Amino acid sequence: GIQVEQSPPDLILQEGANSTLRCNFSDSVNNLQWFHQNPWGQLINLFYIPSGTKQNGRLSATTVATERYSLLYISSSQTTDSGVYFCAVREGGKLIFGQGTELSVKP
Amino acid sequence: GAVVSQHPSWVICKSGTSVKIECRSLDFQATTMFWYRQFPKQSLMLMATSNEGSKATYEQGVEKDKFLINHASLTLSTLTVTSAHPEDSSFYICSASTPLRASGYNEQFFGPGTRLTVL
Repeated sequence: GIQVEQSPPDLILQEGANSTLRCNFSDSVNNLQWFHQNPWGQLINLFYIPSGTKQNGRLSATTVATERYSLLYISSSQTTDSGVYFCAVREGGKLIFGQGTELSVKP
Repeated sequence: GAVVSQHPSWVICKSGTSVKIECRSLDFQATTMFWYRQFPKQSLMLMATSNEGSKATYEQGVEKDKFLINHASLTLSTLTVTSAHPEDSSFYICSASTPLRASGYNEQFFGPGTRLTVL
């Protein structure tokens, strides 16, 4: 099955800093999503992005499907950005999750 | 975005009792719902896929007799943890898949999770 790897596993930022999170996947995909799990456990859909680039406020994502990676950019980070960021790809009707990047933004 | 609710948000029970968790898609019909389990500092582990009106498909290693799943309608799926034991304590999360959209894909939306503690 598809393997999904995320890096870095942990990230500590000062408020206002920018960051890039990476998601590598082992096979071609046609469905990739980014999620943010907040400290209370709720997963929030950030992007559906099987290819190309999308932006939503301070967040943007780029997927290069031919090279099997996706990047999530967070600009001007805020303390509310803290939590775990997961990417997930679809295989056989199921989402395969990476291990996540735990982001902590300090005031 | 689509909204998925889950109830209860947390539950504490004694060992040997059964616990039912409900998952509802509030503003869309979900032909497919999913149940996940998450341990602290770990990723989500898929337990089973539930299709309305049919038996759930369980992932390898998940005991179907212990984790009973019922998907009675297009907006409701339930997970019952039978004869719960302390090792069943975990964070359980459901998700619902939207119907295929005009853009050609369906997207999963997640409930807020249920924290189960078995004493």
